[in-house]
Amino acid sequence: QVRLQESGPGLVKPSETLSLTCSGSDDSTRDYYWSWIRQPPGKGLEWLGYIYQSDETKYNPSLKSRLIISRDTSENQFSLTLRFVTPADTAVYYCARGFTSSGTVDSWGQGTLVTVSS
Amino acid sequence: QSVLTQPPSASGTPGQRVTISCSGSSSNIGSNAVNWYQQLPGMAPKLLIYTTNQRPSGVPDRFSGSKSGTSASLAISGLQSEDEADYYCAAWDDSLNGFSVFGTGTKVTVL
Repeated sequence: QVRLQESGPGLVKPSETLSLTCSGSDDSTRDYYWSWIRQPPGKGLEWLGYIYQSDETKYNPSLKSRLIISRDTSENQFSLTLRFVTPADTAVYYCARGFTSSGTVDSWGQGTLVTVSS
Repeated sequence: QSVLTQPPSASGTPGQRVTISCSGSSSNIGSNAVNWYQQLPGMAPKLLIYTTNQRPSGVPDRFSGSKSGTSASLAISGLQSEDEADYYCAAWDDSLNGFSVFGTGTKVTVL
């Protein structure tokens, strides 16, 4: 398994942009489906999307208009950008490594809580 | 937004068998494999079952998965106290250009 670590601000104001970065412990960024998943406090998991080696991306249809997932292979990182956030976007955000195009994830970061509040 | 429905809770005594259901549709479980994740309190989820019935290395064979039509099941046999956790099913959905979806989650309590 790879060690993943999310980083980014813990507090974002409504209508602003949430940006998170995930750093991996190895340089296998080309072989997997690098994913973002979130979990609102006390609620279930929600798949956000992934990016694959050829810059192929898949997004949750409910977030597609606000969400961008990108990667920087030189830095072994991939990122999430979510625009126009509302309090409903408050959640623990996990970055994860998937090994199938259907979103199967075998390694997770520890998660980072992002609160949307003024 | 979950389109996979699970019972909110399940319980059993140590040693018992517990089964969790996951109900979907033809565009997800009906046409794709199912994964199951275990989330211990305060922890990130962990892959428990993939491709409907395969266990990753290190997962005890007490955990097993199956699928029939548009529903899937996770069975835990010989329930242990450390199995107390939240369990989520997940599957790919072929609609709307394709996306992954999680179930609503089931809290398993060991009595």
